[in-house]
Amino acid sequence: DAGITQSPRHKVTETGTPVTLRCHQTENHRYMYWYRQDPGHGLRLIHYSYGVKDTDKGEVSDGYSVSRSKTEDFLLTLESATSSQTSVYFCAISEWGSGTDTQYFGPGTRLTVL
Amino acid sequence: GIQVEQSPPDLILQEGANSTLRCNFSDSVNNLQWFHQNPWGQLINLFYIPSGTKQNGRLSATTVATERYSLLYISSSQTTDSGVYFCAGGSNYKLTFGKGTLLTVNP
Repeated sequence: DAGITQSPRHKVTETGTPVTLRCHQTENHRYMYWYRQDPGHGLRLIHYSYGVKDTDKGEVSDGYSVSRSKTEDFLLTLESATSSQTSVYFCAISEWGSGTDTQYFGPGTRLTVL
Repeated sequence: GIQVEQSPPDLILQEGANSTLRCNFSDSVNNLQWFHQNPWGQLINLFYIPSGTKQNGRLSATTVATERYSLLYISSSQTTDSGVYFCAGGSNYKLTFGKGTLLTVNP
């Protein structure tokens, strides 16, 4: 199994509070991703990173920000959580062009915004 | 962006049966992967298959890149195959996911 951890694994928070989710990898992969999974929508890309301090938006980035100050850590921040951000959040990692381009997922974080 | 359609959305099988899941893409992709999400929510990569055919035990996958589709074959299904199967495709390292096929294998 790829070495990917997410913290916290579960969180309940109130509307309007800031929330930060952490993804940590031990594989030294260049690319990291944050997805959200909601019933009927599959997985949707929120933000991704293609290197330290290099990030870009995905298809559902509104209300989210990210930071990557080290290769191994990718943080997702909800500046002011809303009930529509209740979801399961997955982090993923990959390489590209190396022949081992498989995307590997972390265990997920279940976030509930009341 | 790329649109990914998976079929069927739901599939119920008896243990031992075979099945074929399909994934269609609206545009050409050079990155195509299949994943299985087990009933506990864990996402496991099954295949990286932008073209050609690969096999891993009872599972195999075929991608016809020129026609923008991929197939996942499950033979002699087992109850542990239950879960959601996702395909995902895109250009280079970014993937767009389909909505998945929910597979239930009954004993």
